[in-house]
Amino acid sequence: AAGVIQSPRHLIKEKRETATLKCYPIPRHDTVYWYQQGPGQDPQFLISFYEKMQSDKGSIPDRFSAQQFSDYHSELNMSSLELGDSALYFCASSLKGGNTIYFGEGSWLTVV
Amino acid sequence: EDQVTQSPEALRLQEGESSSLNCSYTVSGLRGLFWYRQDPGKGPEFLFTLYSAGEEKEKERLKATLTKKESFLHITAPKPEDSATYLCAVQADSSYKLIFGSGTRLLVRP
Repeated sequence: AAGVIQSPRHLIKEKRETATLKCYPIPRHDTVYWYQQGPGQDPQFLISFYEKMQSDKGSIPDRFSAQQFSDYHSELNMSSLELGDSALYFCASSLKGGNTIYFGEGSWLTVV
Repeated sequence: EDQVTQSPEALRLQEGESSSLNCSYTVSGLRGLFWYRQDPGKGPEFLFTLYSAGEEKEKERLKATLTKKESFLHITAPKPEDSATYLCAVQADSSYKLIFGSGTRLLVRP
């Protein structure tokens, strides 16, 4: 079965640079969620989209922005990167109602 | 404030030694309680969603139960391949986002 696809899987950026993460949800899923997981921590909710509109917002820094496109894929844009942004970023998807939420394998971001 | 607490933080079992993981929650109104398994460096793998007190769901050696204040993940006769971090999360009826607990790291020794 098709799963949530994230790219890139790994990226290394320098401080103050910009990074973009991409997420392709499971086919027919219309809701996308972004989470950040630091080393040894539980996933923290950043933002979600339903039908290309932002549906919920969590602890997402102002330096980060995200959007969902007409084909339902989503991109998380991170600017002015800081060392503390180094983490595993997960995308998840579901149908509206969120009864079953599936996660991708994550994108490892290392800021040096 | 919606909150999820999992215990124990870590659990070591011998192969075949059954046990339970606990997830206590406070939420304004529960839409659903989710259990995930996470291997190191991997994305959380969906296991169960429970919706109302008294509900139970099973998958292989795992059984999840739900009360009004907590959920249990029972592991029967675990195998080494069950070693992972098990995450509990709640979804409030005011939102679709998941609020995670800190997880229980399970190690099953052969």
